[in-house]
Amino acid sequence: DAGVIQSPRHEVTEMGQEVTLRCKPISGHDYLFWYRQTMMRGLELLIYFNNNVPIDDSGMPEDRFSAKMPNASFSTLKIQPSEPRDSAVYFCASSFRGSGANVLTFGAGSRLTVL
Amino acid sequence: AQSVTQLDSHVSVSEGTPVLLRCNYSSSYSPSLFWYVQHPNKGLQLLLKYTSAATLVKGINGFEAEFKKSETSFHLTKPSAHMSDAAEYFCVVAVGGSQGNLIFGKGTKLSVKP
Repeated sequence: DAGVIQSPRHEVTEMGQEVTLRCKPISGHDYLFWYRQTMMRGLELLIYFNNNVPIDDSGMPEDRFSAKMPNASFSTLKIQPSEPRDSAVYFCASSFRGSGANVLTFGAGSRLTVL
Repeated sequence: AQSVTQLDSHVSVSEGTPVLLRCNYSSSYSPSLFWYVQHPNKGLQLLLKYTSAATLVKGINGFEAEFKKSETSFHLTKPSAHMSDAAEYFCVVAVGGSQGNLIFGKGTKLSVKP
């Protein structure tokens, strides 16, 4: 398996633009997580899905952030409009309940810079 | 409420010497605890996990951690550091009753000197 695949790896955009980050989880995994990592706040859980259904989105900072999982093999995290304080590395992770849902496999991350 | 505290933000050791990365946890439940490692510009990788079985847990790359309930600690150790161990290490606790929610510590950056 190629692991969790995220795209783009790097994104530089201007304030006010829409940003879409993409994630392909490991085939067969039934949980998908979006995390944000910054120097100031460390790793924060934004949202997670189980069987494509959002379970907990309490970490989503505000209405500018939205996440979808239209099928078991694809998820997006969208920021509209983007702001400089959204600059961070965004990680997608997936897991399989049968092996312990808390054992996450992370993607390599998408580094977002908002100017 | 669950939380983890990593006691050192940066640890520096010489190659071949022991590694000790300290972590204390707080949990209302019998906790599930993990250590993840993040190499530069990479995603996080699971090193080891504790889920109420043996208190001494062995992980990948020669790392191990011991769960000590009396001390609420889950320190990560390795007898002999390699240059390739230089990375950031995260202690993690699972939120009780939640299938997927993890709380990450702030991380400890490990430097290994030749």
